[in-house]
Amino acid sequence: QAVVTQEPSLTVSPGGTVTLTCGSSTGTVTSGHYPFWFQQKPGQAPRTLIYDTTNKHSWTPARFSGSLLGGKAALTLSGAQAEDEAEYYCLLYYRGPWVFGGGTKLTVL
Amino acid sequence: EVQLVESGGGLVQPGESLRLSCAASGFSFSSSWMTWVRRAPGKGLEWVANMKHDGSVNYYMDSVKGRFTISRDNAKESLYLQMTSLRVEDTAVYYCVGGDMAEYWGQGSLVTVAS
Repeated sequence: QAVVTQEPSLTVSPGGTVTLTCGSSTGTVTSGHYPFWFQQKPGQAPRTLIYDTTNKHSWTPARFSGSLLGGKAALTLSGAQAEDEAEYYCLLYYRGPWVFGGGTKLTVL
Repeated sequence: EVQLVESGGGLVQPGESLRLSCAASGFSFSSSWMTWVRRAPGKGLEWVANMKHDGSVNYYMDSVKGRFTISRDNAKESLYLQMTSLRVEDTAVYYCVGGDMAEYWGQGSLVTVAS
């Protein structure tokens, strides 16, 4: 089973910009991995922010965007707000099973 | 309104079995991939298994293959996870996830495996 890697923790200032990345032990992450990004806050179920690399759901704030960057999937938050403090997980497809990354704890400080 | 309601969790001993259920409503269940995701205490999200809308295809994470079985009843708009030979490391909150784009999440059902 592949291993998906994310930064364990990141800090961003209010109003600032931060990029979270998602790498694969099998090599370059491509659109064929259909990267997803999820946000989870304490005591809540996760919610899906991004699917298929760049696509947003109707509830995804405009300040979040997904992309492929340097061989990885990336989630960029532009104009961070206090409410964005949460854990973020990426999910990649491997021709059948999917694999989550270990998650990034994002602090807005 | 979309709802996914998991049930069937509880405390079991290692080696025992448990069956989780997920009752869906408010979206096109019979047209959607359905997925089980779990989160163990102090750990991150873990993809467990999924099933195609018509039940013809399913996939499992390596550590549950041969022990867990995902199934669905489209007439009842329900998803199931039969878990056998449970291990301490299967202790987690299990989430039911619906939609081809993982749009819909339940609130989770806690499974505790302990002696």
